[in-house]
Amino acid sequence: DVKVTQSSRYLVKRTGEKVFLECVQDMDHENMFWYRQDPGLGLRLIYFSYDVKMKEKGDIPEGYSVSREKKERFSLILESASTNQTSMYLCAIDTVYGYTFGSGTRLTVV
Amino acid sequence: QKEVEQDPGPLSVPEGAIVSLNCTYSNSAFQYFMWYRQYSRKGPELLMYTYSSGNKEDGRFTAQVDKSSKYISLFIRDSQPSDSATYLCAMSVDYKLSFGAGTTVTVRA
Repeated sequence: DVKVTQSSRYLVKRTGEKVFLECVQDMDHENMFWYRQDPGLGLRLIYFSYDVKMKEKGDIPEGYSVSREKKERFSLILESASTNQTSMYLCAIDTVYGYTFGSGTRLTVV
Repeated sequence: QKEVEQDPGPLSVPEGAIVSLNCTYSNSAFQYFMWYRQYSRKGPELLMYTYSSGNKEDGRFTAQVDKSSKYISLFIRDSQPSDSATYLCAMSVDYKLSFGAGTTVTVRA
């Protein structure tokens, strides 16, 4: 089974900091996604990538950017963290029969 | 109107009961339908995957899709305390998924 690893389970950052969230897969899947999950709002797509150096905006890209320099790694960047970006961040890959998710990173911005 | 509507619950049932979860959707282009289970502080895990109208069974779980009514369901038979989790419906066009908000289920021992 494919494994999706998110580098941090919990993060606390200060307002204005630049934040990097890392996601690594152990196979060769092309499509990778970043979601945030908030109570009552469900999962919302931030960005996705369908190949190295290829990216597309999702539904809520404002305040975020992404990087995919290697096929196995997809990074989410918060350019200047704000308190409204406190959330659970989930990375996922498309395995044809649905997504496989990482365990998530719970980010708190203070 | 959201593309995918799911009653957030919460839903509390006694052990052994049948759990019934539902989602409705508005986009008739959705091709694939999934149910995910998410335990507290974990990422969602895929439970069921289907692409056609009708029923699909996997052990105690049955997924039902009615494309004409734009309605999907998940049934859990003989529910166990270990089934206590949040259940998310999801559906896709190509490789992009749209999720319901999730229903929190508690199975009481």
